Amino acid sequence: ELKVEQNPLFLSMQEGKNYTIYCNYSTTSDRLYWYRQDPGKSLESLFVLLSNGAVKQEGRLMASLDTKARLSTLHITAAVHDLSATYFCAAEETSGSRLTFGEGTQLTVNP
Amino acid sequence: GAGVSQSPRYKVTKRGQDVALRCDPISGHVSLYWYRQALGQGPEFLTYFNYEAQQDKSGLPNDRFSAERPEGSISTLTIQRTEQRDSAMYRCASSFPGRGADTQYFGPGTRLTVL
Repeated sequence: ELKVEQNPLFLSMQEGKNYTIYCNYSTTSDRLYWYRQDPGKSLESLFVLLSNGAVKQEGRLMASLDTKARLSTLHITAAVHDLSATYFCAAEETSGSRLTFGEGTQLTVNP
Repeated sequence: GAGVSQSPRYKVTKRGQDVALRCDPISGHVSLYWYRQALGQGPEFLTYFNYEAQQDKSGLPNDRFSAERPEGSISTLTIQRTEQRDSAMYRCASSFPGRGADTQYFGPGTRLTVL
């Protein structure tokens, strides 16, 4: 059974600082997703990582995947308040199938 | 373009009643997924379809839960004899295999409250 763990679960950081969210998964996975969820809203797709060593960047967020270590990271550079949200990683066992989500990391960026 | 839509957005029902939740996927999307999300948790898989065929229903909690997608487009998740523990946000997602790396696009959800 595929299990996904994120840490930290809660992250409070100051604007302008850098930080990394970690996502570990327990068994072989075809691909790894990162989603963002604002309070009371749905999930917004951020990144899809398809292969070992994949790195994707969008603005102040950069995601990477190490399939050998079964680890994905979401790095935040020079955080701004607008990044405050809950971030979920999700692993997919085989393409086109169910996603298994982590518990989410609730990020708060303080001025 | 239009995203995934769900209805109703909110549903309050009494214990023991049946409820039907509807999902309208993005036009042309082959795969449709149902998830349940408790407050403060990540979504939990329930079931999914490719076209009208139910591919995996292993996440349905018990036989009170069922889903269908008879024409390969709109899907209905039905919960019979609702119980208070069924209260949650029910989310639908859709994807197109091979397009956007099978990204699942989520709808706004239906908030179900069982009194």
